[in-house]
Amino acid sequence: EVQLVESGGGLVQPGGSLRLSCAASGFTFSSYSMNWVRQAPGKGLEWVSYISSSSSTIYYADSVKGRFTISRDNAKNSLYLQMNSLRDEDTAVYYCARSDGNYWGQGTLVTVSS
Amino acid sequence: QSALTQPASVSGSPGQSITISCTGTSSDVGGYNYVSWYQQHPGKAPKLMIYEVSNRPSGVPDRFSGSKSGNTASLTISGLQAEDEADYYCSSYTSSSTPWVFGGGTKLTVL
Repeated sequence: EVQLVESGGGLVQPGGSLRLSCAASGFTFSSYSMNWVRQAPGKGLEWVSYISSSSSTIYYADSVKGRFTISRDNAKNSLYLQMNSLRDEDTAVYYCARSDGNYWGQGTLVTVSS
Repeated sequence: QSALTQPASVSGSPGQSITISCTGTSSDVGGYNYVSWYQQHPGKAPKLMIYEVSNRPSGVPDRFSGSKSGNTASLTISGLQAEDEADYYCSSYTSSSTPWVFGGGTKLTVL
């Protein structure tokens, strides 16, 4: 069974940092590109970042460029999102999702507030 | 403002059919056959319902169908059921540096 399990969310002050993780199982993680997608409370889905299977290609949404860093460790079947200089508007549930859209994690809530 | 435009809400009675539109540009919806539709119930992760414009993943009822004409994609749900009440999002591959764009979402109410 394919599973994506996010962790690392929590409450952080504006300007702070947080690192999200996504543990993958049930498929050959190293063969798939991955994404982070977020959803602010009561709002729609927003794509955040993409990483190819070998980490050779990375993209970011303009809203997080220069502040967030996506990475992966294929040996550990894990995807990461390092979030720095966090702002109030980064408050959201963060999902990891396989690029074919067929599998999503349950999400982890990040709250940026003083 | 979302890259793809969806109606904020649609509604229908059980057994009826509804269609949700998703309008983009020639750089996304119109340029590629990589339109997907997701269903999201409150507090749950999105679930893929349609991929590559009109294909259904295994397990998705054939009451759900997708199509595209020009820069507009559509999701049709026939034989509406109470459990179809949810938010629906379209997404598309795009030629910009943001490879995955979403619509703003449509709230489906089953009357």
